[in-house]
Amino acid sequence: EIVLTQSPGTLSLSPGEGASLSCRGSQSFSSNYLAWYQQKPGQPPRLLIYGASSRATGIPDRFSGSGSGTDFTLNITRLEPEDFAVYYCQQYGGPPRLTFGGGTRVEIK
Amino acid sequence: QVQLVESGGGLVKPGGSLRLSCAASGFTFSDYYMTWVRQAPGKGLEWVSYISSSGSTIYYADSVKGRFTISRDNAKDSLYLQLNSLRAEDTAVYYCVRFWRPYGLDVWGQGTTVTVSS
Repeated sequence: EIVLTQSPGTLSLSPGEGASLSCRGSQSFSSNYLAWYQQKPGQPPRLLIYGASSRATGIPDRFSGSGSGTDFTLNITRLEPEDFAVYYCQQYGGPPRLTFGGGTRVEIK
Repeated sequence: QVQLVESGGGLVKPGGSLRLSCAASGFTFSDYYMTWVRQAPGKGLEWVSYISSSGSTIYYADSVKGRFTISRDNAKDSLYLQLNSLRAEDTAVYYCVRFWRPYGLDVWGQGTTVTVSS
């Protein structure tokens, strides 16, 4: 079973700054099946990135994903107030499991 | 528009049962795999189960295997999750989510809350 470890746990930044979030797998897997989700309080998660680097419909281009093998990154350039949220990575190349990382909280400094 | 609406959550005693439902609209339900994902209070996301478009392939997380049963009725555009032998650690918001393999979990419902407490 692939375990995904996200770091850091919390990122304290100011609006306008850039953010870099890491997702590391316990073993290599296909980048075709790595996704990133954003979740705000009281809301369900929203798909941001699929296939490691493709933006979902309606996602602004300040969000970008990259990586392969075991190391993946979500970058957010010029943080907007609405970007402060929790971000999860997920591998969905299963069966049988669709593993999530533990999440990174991006908070206002 | 594409929508998933969950129902059936509530307060149940340990050892009890619940049946969650998810009504899909705005897309051809029978074309898609579907999943349930849960989130315990203040915690991260946990995948629970998924079912293929025809219902012929089903998988469960180890934490729920043998206690939960996923099913679907394509004629009714509906997904279900039967929760049996509930434990306190099953307390969570349960999300119904569309799973489209190239894109991941691309459509999420608003969730239904299950609370297991005596």
